Amino acid sequence: LAKTTQPISMDSYEGQEVNITCSHNNIATNDYITWYQQFPSQGPRFIIQGYKTKVTNEVASLFIPADRKSSTLSLPRVSLSDTAVYYCLVGPHGSSNTGKLIFGQGTTLQVKP
Amino acid sequence: DTAVSQTPKYLVTQMGNDKSIKCEQNLGHDTMYWYKQDSKKFLKIMFSYNNKELIINETVPNRFSPKSPDKAHLNLHINSLELGDSAVYFCASSQELAVTDTQYFGPGTRLTVL
Repeated sequence: LAKTTQPISMDSYEGQEVNITCSHNNIATNDYITWYQQFPSQGPRFIIQGYKTKVTNEVASLFIPADRKSSTLSLPRVSLSDTAVYYCLVGPHGSSNTGKLIFGQGTTLQVKP
Repeated sequence: DTAVSQTPKYLVTQMGNDKSIKCEQNLGHDTMYWYKQDSKKFLKIMFSYNNKELIINETVPNRFSPKSPDKAHLNLHINSLELGDSAVYFCASSQELAVTDTQYFGPGTRLTVL
């Protein structure tokens, strides 16, 4: 599975837009990009998944440039409740090769009042 | 109703003991997983399991073993516990055994080995 690199931590203030970038330079043609969110003392939960260009849902947007070597998770107008760890995963669609699936360290987002 | 549940939520034990963590999912999923999260939030898969296939991360010591009495349950047994086993363990499930299939996580079990 493609290795990913994210910033370990980020700070923001309520009402701001937050962009978290994930680098995946060796992404393969059939790889998809998935983001999970983990609140304190809870398990991770799925946020968004995409292959190219832009994907948007009620929680976030995912921007993927043409070369797909990075992706950016965008959280509009964050609130204190968006304080969490955000994980970026890259892997082939439909593959059962989960043995090396690593969420990594994620990005700890701290939203301040 | 809780989708993925784990028991116990907290587990404190001595080195050398054997312990189990239980996991149940009521989503009707075919695949379940166990993850280990260390103090630095590093989340790493230990096992993936469905009725056809068990995939084990090769870095997991054989003191750890998954046991599945049925499709809705995947328990984690740990023998001869060591200090380094202290972590939060998460159970998860998904419809298929696929990297990109959405996984639903339980609330976690915080294991402390003294």
